[in-house]
Amino acid sequence: DGGITQSPKYLFRKEGQNVTLSCEQNLNHDAMYWYRQDPGQGLRLIYYSQIVNDFQKGDIAEGYSVSREKKESFPLTVTSAQKNPTAFYLCASSIKGAIPGANVLTFGAGSRLTVL
Amino acid sequence: KNEVEQSPQNLTAQEGEFITINCSYSVGISALHWLQQHPGGGIVSLFMLSSGKKKHGRLIATINIQEKHSSLHITASHPRDSAVYICAVGNYGGSQGNLIFGKGTKLSVKP
Repeated sequence: DGGITQSPKYLFRKEGQNVTLSCEQNLNHDAMYWYRQDPGQGLRLIYYSQIVNDFQKGDIAEGYSVSREKKESFPLTVTSAQKNPTAFYLCASSIKGAIPGANVLTFGAGSRLTVL
Repeated sequence: KNEVEQSPQNLTAQEGEFITINCSYSVGISALHWLQQHPGGGIVSLFMLSSGKKKHGRLIATINIQEKHSSLHITASHPRDSAVYICAVGNYGGSQGNLIFGKGTKLSVKP
């Protein structure tokens, strides 16, 4: 079955460490996204990519980095520069449609990062 | 003021009840999305609509573009419908990936 796989599901990090969250999709989608979810807030976009080797910053990109070397993979690195990294991280993908915001998103199960 | 407002924030219902969740937005949109987030955290897309009404099983989504308002209805609710329901809008002026999300409505259906 096609879908998005995120790993790990739970991750603990000490302050000052970088961590990388994995996101892999087998849906043949061109576009991939990383969102952050905090309690009581709506999802916020960190980075997105519409094509291999290209990506754009979202609203809260500071302290994060991404790569898109393969169509199937869009890993997110949470760097030590991110001051408040404890959150739930969701990866999503969609076709690359002509109209912004009008493409159905498929989400992964999420990764919960806790900074100790 | 948030660009996407959902009401109510929390909703408790008895099994079998008809449920309505509302979403109001203040920007011009390309489409409106209804999403379902289960307690484990995974999110599923329920509907994407830009006009009229869509139905899937016991779920119905409607949108009124002039009033900038959408509703999600659940008929004959069941405990398995317990989840957080999230409204999100695609903004013509936004980037390809940037939906504007509401904070969600937490629904609990009691047996």
